[in-house]
Amino acid sequence: GENVEQHPSTLSVQEGDSAVIKCTYSDSASNYFPWYKQELGKRPQLIIDIRSNVGEKKDQRIAVTLNKTAKHFSLHITETQPEDSAVYFCAASVPLMKTSYDKVIFGPGTSLSVIP
Amino acid sequence: KAGVTQTPRYLIKTRGQQVTLSCSPISGHRSVSWYQQTPGQGLQFLFEYFSETQRNKGNFPGRFSGRQFSNSRSEMNVSTLELGDSALYLCASSRGLLNEQFFGPGTRLTVL
Repeated sequence: GENVEQHPSTLSVQEGDSAVIKCTYSDSASNYFPWYKQELGKRPQLIIDIRSNVGEKKDQRIAVTLNKTAKHFSLHITETQPEDSAVYFCAASVPLMKTSYDKVIFGPGTSLSVIP
Repeated sequence: KAGVTQTPRYLIKTRGQQVTLSCSPISGHRSVSWYQQTPGQGLQFLFEYFSETQRNKGNFPGRFSGRQFSNSRSEMNVSTLELGDSALYLCASSRGLLNEQFFGPGTRLTVL
């Protein structure tokens, strides 16, 4: 199957606190997991991605962890700031059977609000 | 480097009509994907084109189709429009699908 679930759907945190968004995927062959941020009225933009050969990746205040056995991955934002307020989408690659082609399936999104 | 562009930005159509949306990818990008975005549904994958070939498609009815030209520009067509087709249609280009996708600004389609 091809399904990416994402929780929570909405998240409010105080400025300076951490935010965690969790995603699960169904296809064990998935091997690419990007995260996109979409600010209100703007287009989605990649903030970080991870491939299945690593378990964790960090970029300043943002980190992503991947548990292939459990088929879930998480986004961690530390020291949140008001400009982190946006909708965050996780995604997972889904290979097309008997080909080397993939498609990228997105989760439903998490609306993060950082309260000053 | 110019970003991904989409035309038109806004469209209003009535049920039963058809519509064609256009996407110009970043120069050098050969992969173009199309997504439908609606509130609460996130980004639903429509299809992906690479070098004029549709490599993959999502779970949308046959009314949704697309094509890619030799210059990598892509179009998607929706025939016999339904009210439920009202959405923001985003295209994204990349060097390959398992790389960063750069999204266009989208075409907001309203079906009355």
